[in-house]
Amino acid sequence: DTAVSQTPKYLVTQMGNDKSIKCEQNLGHDTMYWYKQDSKKFLKIMFSYNNKELIINETVPNRFSPKSPDKAHLNLHINSLELGDSAVYFCASSQAVDYGYTFGSGTRLTVV
Amino acid sequence: AQSVSQHNHHVILSEAASLELGCNYSYGGTVNLFWYVQYPGQHLQLLLKYFSGDPLVKGIKGFEAEFIKSKFSFNLRKPSVQWSDTAEYFCAVNSRGGGNKLTFGTGTQLKVEL
Repeated sequence: DTAVSQTPKYLVTQMGNDKSIKCEQNLGHDTMYWYKQDSKKFLKIMFSYNNKELIINETVPNRFSPKSPDKAHLNLHINSLELGDSAVYFCASSQAVDYGYTFGSGTRLTVV
Repeated sequence: AQSVSQHNHHVILSEAASLELGCNYSYGGTVNLFWYVQYPGQHLQLLLKYFSGDPLVKGIKGFEAEFIKSKFSFNLRKPSVQWSDTAEYFCAVNSRGGGNKLTFGTGTQLKVEL
C-alpha cells in the first residue's frame, strides 16, 4: 500500500491553463504539506495543513490554492499556469515533524 | 529564521571510498536534524534523524551523522560507498517550537563510480 500517493505523476499543460494535483495519505497523519522542487533540486515549502486547517502559507502566488477536504487529503489547484511553475511538486505528511516527513512520489509539472 | 547550508554541491567518489557530506544550519535554539536521500527519479526517503541524546546517529544503509552543537553541523558519513548510493542527499532542520516546517538545504549530488 502506498503511504502517500499523488496523482498525476506527470502533467504537461499550456500556459494559462488551470490544473489540480491530488494527494492522499493512509498513514493517519495529522499534517500534510506541499513542497516545490525546482530545476536545481531546491526544495521549498509552499503550504501545510493540520487537520484540515492551514497552518503554513509561504510566499506563494495566490494562483496556488490548497484544499484539504479531510486530514487524509490535500489537493493543490493552480490557476493561470506560467512557465515558471514548471517543477516537481511533492506532497508529504507527518504525525509530528520530530518524526520526519513521508513523501509522495512527486508530480512533474511542465508548462509549455 | 532557520536556514541550512550544504557546501558540497557535487561529489564524485569511487566505490569503497569513504563519504562525508557537510551540513551546517543557522538557528540559535534547539533543533531537530534530518538527512534525506532522493534516488534518481524517486521521492525523498528519510536516512536518519537527530532529536536529542547521543550526537552520533546511525541510519539506514550504513549511513551515520554526527551532531556537533558548537559547530552548528550535522555531517553525513559512510565508511564505504557503493554504486547504489548514487543519489541526491538533503539535510533538513526543524527548530523546536518552529512548527511543522522542515527547511531543506540545497542538496548534494553524489555520484559513485565503479
